Amino acid sequence: GDSVTQMEGPVTLSEEAFLTINCTYTATGYPSLFWYVQYPGEGLQLLLKATKADDKGSNKGFEATYRKETTSFHLEKGSVQVSDSAVYFCALRGGSYIPTFGRGTSLIVHP
Amino acid sequence: DSGVTQTPKHLITATGQRVTLRCSPRSGDLSVYWYQQSLDQGLQFLIQYYNGEERAKGNILERFSAQQFPDLHSELNLSSLELGDSALYFCASSVGGAKGYNEQFFGPGTRLTVL
Repeated sequence: GDSVTQMEGPVTLSEEAFLTINCTYTATGYPSLFWYVQYPGEGLQLLLKATKADDKGSNKGFEATYRKETTSFHLEKGSVQVSDSAVYFCALRGGSYIPTFGRGTSLIVHP
Repeated sequence: DSGVTQTPKHLITATGQRVTLRCSPRSGDLSVYWYQQSLDQGLQFLIQYYNGEERAKGNILERFSAQQFPDLHSELNLSSLELGDSALYFCASSVGGAKGYNEQFFGPGTRLTVL
């Protein structure tokens, strides 16, 4: 079946540092890929998406590129802010109707 | 605000009891998804309904059941509750119910505590 693997957290950074959260996936066919963010006490929100190979999703300074050759969708941001502290989930929707999420990576940004 | 509403926000009950969680999707969305989020299992997909019919089933226990009503709201019923059922339960909705790209909008969740 489909699966998503993302790096264990927490990731702890200082403000303005560069962020990378790794995500790799296993799926049949050509899945759509997503990053969701969950702020404390809230539900998940879609951060960005990519629907085909080599697509780059971007939003609020975050970017991720759909790499089919390495089955990866790593999340990056050039300069993180304290307000980016949250849990980030990589997800896919593939050949089945079942949405598959990674276990989430907690990001803590210190001033 | 995602437009998805869930009630109640918090629920405290005892083992062996039965509870019902309610979800109202965004206006115009036909699909409803239920998820369970716990510290040890992460975010687990339970079940999806599309326009009143079951579309996909994930890791949903036999003690759990769900339905989507003609007005598109959905209920998740949890019975014979166990301590391990304590978790956050999220509902999400989307416009369509097809495979592939289908952005989901999540509600704020219901926190269930089983004592």
